[in-house]
Amino acid sequence: GAGVSQSPSNKVTEKGKDVELRCDPISGHTALYWYRQSLGQGLEFLIYFQGNSAPDKSGLPSDRFSAERTGGSVSTLTIQRTQQEDSAVYLCASSRGGDSRNYEQYFGPGTRLTVT
Amino acid sequence: GENVEQHPSTLSVQEGDSAVIKCTYSDSASNYFPWYKQELGKRPQLIIDIRSNVGEKKDQRIAVTLNKTAKHFSLHITETQPEDSAVYFCAARNTNQAGTALIFGKGTTLSVSS
Repeated sequence: GAGVSQSPSNKVTEKGKDVELRCDPISGHTALYWYRQSLGQGLEFLIYFQGNSAPDKSGLPSDRFSAERTGGSVSTLTIQRTQQEDSAVYLCASSRGGDSRNYEQYFGPGTRLTVT
Repeated sequence: GENVEQHPSTLSVQEGDSAVIKCTYSDSASNYFPWYKQELGKRPQLIIDIRSNVGEKKDQRIAVTLNKTAKHFSLHITETQPEDSAVYFCAARNTNQAGTALIFGKGTTLSVSS
């Protein structure tokens, strides 16, 4: 079946503008994660959605970052008033979650964000 | 929350040698420890995982060991090959607590030279 998809694949924006990044998880996956990966860096956890539970927002670096997950499927990560340090690859991942014993995360291809 | 430390950040080995990557975690309640491999320009993919009810797991040339008392776990790759060159990430999670996220280490860049 289809894997995790993300759009756009690349986004160049001017400092101070708002951006929206989209993630379509694998159908039926109840868990969805957003990570940020700066050049040569690790996977920085941003936010985690599990079913209808309140999301774990503990990784969001500032209040300029927010995310939604509508209908338990598609998620949008919004960055307001972008700064140059926001430039990174934003990765989305999904997993079965819930009572499933399969915790494997499937990653999307990422959105490369460049703030000029 | 959980904090995962990973060492070394870079590792260079000759083809055929073994490679070992080590991680420590802070939350004693964590019970699930996966390893992901990210090849250049590609997305991370799960290569092996271990749960806290076992101390070791092996899959062909890859093995993971877990020491719950010391809160550390390691990835062992034997008979390394050039295609093993990639960034490897360890991670930890408490799957018994709803809503807890999988937290990754900062990664190890493995280079295997032929």
